[in-house]
Amino acid sequence: DAGVTQSPTHLIKTRGQQVTLRCSPISGHKSVSWYQQVLGQGPQFIFQYYEKEERGRGNFPDRFSARQFPNYSSELNVNALLLGDSALYLCASSLVRGAGNEKLFFGSGTQLSVL
Amino acid sequence: AQKITQTQPGMFVQEKEAVTLDCTYDTSDPSYGLFWYKQPSSGEMIFLIYQGSYDQQNATEGRYSLNFQKARKSANLVISASQLGDSAMYFCAMREPGSNDYKLSFGAGTTVTVRA
Repeated sequence: DAGVTQSPTHLIKTRGQQVTLRCSPISGHKSVSWYQQVLGQGPQFIFQYYEKEERGRGNFPDRFSARQFPNYSSELNVNALLLGDSALYLCASSLVRGAGNEKLFFGSGTQLSVL
Repeated sequence: AQKITQTQPGMFVQEKEAVTLDCTYDTSDPSYGLFWYKQPSSGEMIFLIYQGSYDQQNATEGRYSLNFQKARKSANLVISASQLGDSAMYFCAMREPGSNDYKLSFGAGTTVTVRA
């Protein structure tokens, strides 16, 4: 079975531009979460979507938005890019909401560089 | 406030030896879960082991074991019989059930380099 897939793997943008990152969860998983990992740090929670509804949002500005589609895939959008948005963006899926001991399965991420 | 603290930025270990990675956490919720993930250079976060706050025994998964000391709020990962393929970043993370989003809060990570 395919794991969590993310596209593109690498992306270079300039300040002020907009970017869309895509994620396909493991088949049968209904929850998708997005994390930002700045170089040298641990991942920081951005969003969680479950059954196509936003269920949680981390401490990120409104320039960050996301959505989940009927097939449970997800997109993360970032507007008005800043240099500080350069990071590895990780998508994680889980069967249900990810409570208790339910583990998250992560993709390999999209490396975003903002110049 | 930092919820997960990993004080060792980098460690070297000889092949076939054991290594312990430190993790301390901060929460006032009596119910929580602790995870360890491995991140090789490919970027993917790989689940290693889970410990629930009410679990009576320390978790083990193959060569990975968790030294859970609840009163000290520590959850150290022990990797036994290190292999070259264990070279990676290791992250400790916590899930607090009080949050609606069930997010994981990660530490800053520890880089492990296994020497032949």
